[in-house]
Amino acid sequence: KNQVEQSPQSLIILEGKNCTLQCNYTVSPFSNLRWYKQDTGRGPVSLTIMTFSENTKSNGRYTATLDADTKQSSLHITASQLSDSASYICVVSDRGSTLGRLYFGRGTQLTVWP
Amino acid sequence: EADIYQTPRYLVIGTGKKITLECSQTMGHDKMYWYQQDPGMELHLIHYSYGVNSTEKGDLSSESTVSRIRTEHFPLTLESARPSHTSQYLCASSGIGGEKLFFGSGTQLSVL
Repeated sequence: KNQVEQSPQSLIILEGKNCTLQCNYTVSPFSNLRWYKQDTGRGPVSLTIMTFSENTKSNGRYTATLDADTKQSSLHITASQLSDSASYICVVSDRGSTLGRLYFGRGTQLTVWP
Repeated sequence: EADIYQTPRYLVIGTGKKITLECSQTMGHDKMYWYQQDPGMELHLIHYSYGVNSTEKGDLSSESTVSRIRTEHFPLTLESARPSHTSQYLCASSGIGGEKLFFGSGTQLSVL
């Protein structure tokens, strides 16, 4: 069964600190892996998209890594800000159908305290 | 960045009412989607469309229906709302390649 598992489920850090969120997947075949940020009560916003051949991608203070061999990804947030408080969702796309089916993780709820 | 709009943002209705959730995008995207999301849970695809007059059911069984008469408009209708329909409904669209999804702000539906 294709799955996307994220850890931790929730995380609290102090403003200015770094953190790393994890995503493990069993989706096969694999097309790409995406990280989204979802503020409370809002729709997700894309942070990064990585294909099989990419092992790192940055978007400002957000850096995503991908190890396609071990089927693991991480999202590293540097110098956290209060506005980083949100749910971070890992999404994996397969290439086994014309739909390019997406598999969503349940997200990591990050809270940044002042 | 996202030019995709959902209305209403919040809706509280009684059981048995018919409702339509609106979704419009101004990016000219062919592909549009409806997702359902409960607190702390993953998004579930309930409907999608690859273009005008094309609609398909998603992975999660839903009693809702959709239509795609115009490229920019993808409304979702519940003929008879029930408390089990209480959830957040997210509309999304994607362009050529479908790699990046653009989401609306969602409609939080509560059925009493």
